Amino acid sequence: EPEVTQTPSHQVTQMGQEVILRCVPISNHLYFYWYRQILGQKVEFLVSFYNNEISEKSEIFDDQFSVERPDGSNFTLKIRSTKLEDSAMYFCASKEGGDTEAFFGQGTRLTVV
Amino acid sequence: RKEVEQDPGPFNVPEGATVAFNCTYSNSASQSFFWYRQDCRKEPKLLMSVYSSGNEDGRFTAQLNRASQYISLLIRDSKLSDSATYLCVVNVYTGGGNKLTFGTGTQLKVEL
Repeated sequence: EPEVTQTPSHQVTQMGQEVILRCVPISNHLYFYWYRQILGQKVEFLVSFYNNEISEKSEIFDDQFSVERPDGSNFTLKIRSTKLEDSAMYFCASKEGGDTEAFFGQGTRLTVV
Repeated sequence: RKEVEQDPGPFNVPEGATVAFNCTYSNSASQSFFWYRQDCRKEPKLLMSVYSSGNEDGRFTAQLNRASQYISLLIRDSKLSDSATYLCVVNVYTGGGNKLTFGTGTQLKVEL
């Protein structure tokens, strides 16, 4: 069964460092998303990506964040200068059509120290 | 008003019980609706889509009331393995695309 894969599963980084979280969405999907979940809190929307551009972003997704789909298969989230409060689980998701269900990757646990 | 609102629980029920979860959403432009299940420190997984006509999948029944902007999930004959957090998810078309908005989740604990 096709699945969304994310790497790494866990990343520890020092405050101020750049991190890149990687995702391979399901191959025929057209819509891509990044979400984050701080421990014990709700799943929060960061950004959606469609037709090779950002279609929507939340207030959380400030200038420190960027996304790319560099080669037609990978979908990356970059955090330029990490803060302690960026520590969270980051989930990538993809879906085939506008109204269809989204499939989530297993997540990357980011710990900023 | 929150975009998607759920009672956080926890709901502690005995095995075999029937339990119902409710969810309300604020954006009347919401297009599609889902229940996801999330186990501790895992990714959300689709439980079922929710249709206006109501839909059933085994022990699970979902209902949507667009007029009241209300979604429900009923679990019958609950099992220990049903223990998880249940997430109400609403898909909204925005100017540029669409996004899934999550409720806070309702925690269910099924006990012997």
